[in-house]
Amino acid sequence: EAGVAQSPRYKIIEKRQSVAFWCNPISGHATLYWYQQILGQGPKLLIQFQNNGVVDDSQLPKDRFSAERLKGVDSTLKIQPAKLEDSAVYLCASSSTSPYSGSKNIQYFGAGTRLSVL
Amino acid sequence: ELKVEQNPLFLSMQEGKNYTIYCNYSTTSDRLYWYRQDPGKSLESLFVLLSNGAVKQEGRLMASLDTKARLSTLHITAAVHDLSATYFCAGSQGGSEKLVFGKGTKLTVNP
Repeated sequence: EAGVAQSPRYKIIEKRQSVAFWCNPISGHATLYWYQQILGQGPKLLIQFQNNGVVDDSQLPKDRFSAERLKGVDSTLKIQPAKLEDSAVYLCASSSTSPYSGSKNIQYFGAGTRLSVL
Repeated sequence: ELKVEQNPLFLSMQEGKNYTIYCNYSTTSDRLYWYRQDPGKSLESLFVLLSNGAVKQEGRLMASLDTKARLSTLHITAAVHDLSATYFCAGSQGGSEKLVFGKGTKLTVNP
């Protein structure tokens, strides 16, 4: 079974530029997550999708970050304009369970995109 | 709001020794997860603990959950170099499956 695919693996940009990340979840997984992992910290949820609808985006800085999941499969996360503090690894994860279903939920993570903002 | 704290944040141990990583959380968590992350790699699920008193074991790792104390532990038995990695615990709340992670424990096992 193929895992969660993310691209690019690395990206270096200057502040105020824009950048986009792509995620392809495990086939059949309805729930998709984007996390931000700053060096030395645990991942922090940015946004959670159930199919193509947003379940939780309370920690997404909406003035500069946007995400979409057209057709309920692939997803893109965009930052525009980037700031120095956006330097982090952006992780995509997917799971087969639905929120609020009460089922054991295991999230499967991609390798991430390491973003450096100069 | 759920907060998760791990300690220690850094752990250097010798092969063959035992040690425990602690994970405290601030409010009721639906379930408790342990993940492993190798440098430059994705997070790998190790354990999901669903209820008070739950204990799960895989090889040299054993995880337990005490919901009354809001504490989970990850016990390492007779450590080997291959266990060197960063270990994260995470809780979820409210049924939304949103995970709140601790800062991670970087484990280094020395020969």
